[in-house]
Amino acid sequence: QQQVKQSPQSLIVQKGGIPIINCAYENTAFDYFPWYQQFPGKGPALLIAIRPDVSEKKEGRFTISFNKSAKQFSLHIMDSQPGDSATYFCAARGGAGNQFYFGTGTSLTVIP
Amino acid sequence: GAGVSQTPSNKVTEKGKYVELRCDPISGHTALYWYRQSLGQGPEFLIYFQGTGAADDSGLPNDRFFAVRPEGSVSTLKIQRTERGDSAVYLCASSSAVGGDTQYFGPGTRLTVL
Repeated sequence: QQQVKQSPQSLIVQKGGIPIINCAYENTAFDYFPWYQQFPGKGPALLIAIRPDVSEKKEGRFTISFNKSAKQFSLHIMDSQPGDSATYFCAARGGAGNQFYFGTGTSLTVIP
Repeated sequence: GAGVSQTPSNKVTEKGKYVELRCDPISGHTALYWYRQSLGQGPEFLIYFQGTGAADDSGLPNDRFFAVRPEGSVSTLKIQRTERGDSAVYLCASSSAVGGDTQYFGPGTRLTVL
């Protein structure tokens, strides 16, 4: 059972565009929601994260919007650049060891 | 200091063989996690250690999979009687404490079972 559902599977935008990636979860015990960026052949790297008591968090060009009642959160990338082309994973923390449950990933391509 | 390192970076083996995958966490990190990432999927939790003990191994798919962390630092994921379905990238992550906000991932070991 997929604990965190992510969409879209892939996304293509022009340089300067604002790609938006969405995630939804069911378990209200989740307490921390990070986004990871992964380049081919590399492990995931933390991009930005939010806690459920905050509705929005911005770090540089990256913004997370969080809707606790809808159990949804999304990543917005402002002024996207070709170097942002990567796979993005949302995740939620929970479980006995506070492990992360990951979404299935979104492959982002930013066209120059 | 150095990040999480994993060896080997690639492992090709034949069906039925035994493999060991190694993870060196960031120095001083007490929590260590193993994940498996299949092609086109997100990482899937396998097991986590707090110190030397496996505190939660609920993600291990079956008893062919086993992991150890005898001195609370380096960890080894062991897979017996490998099957083609075990082919994936095996990721290790460490955190300064269980439930720590940031898990730092290694580059992974790509396992291919022929």
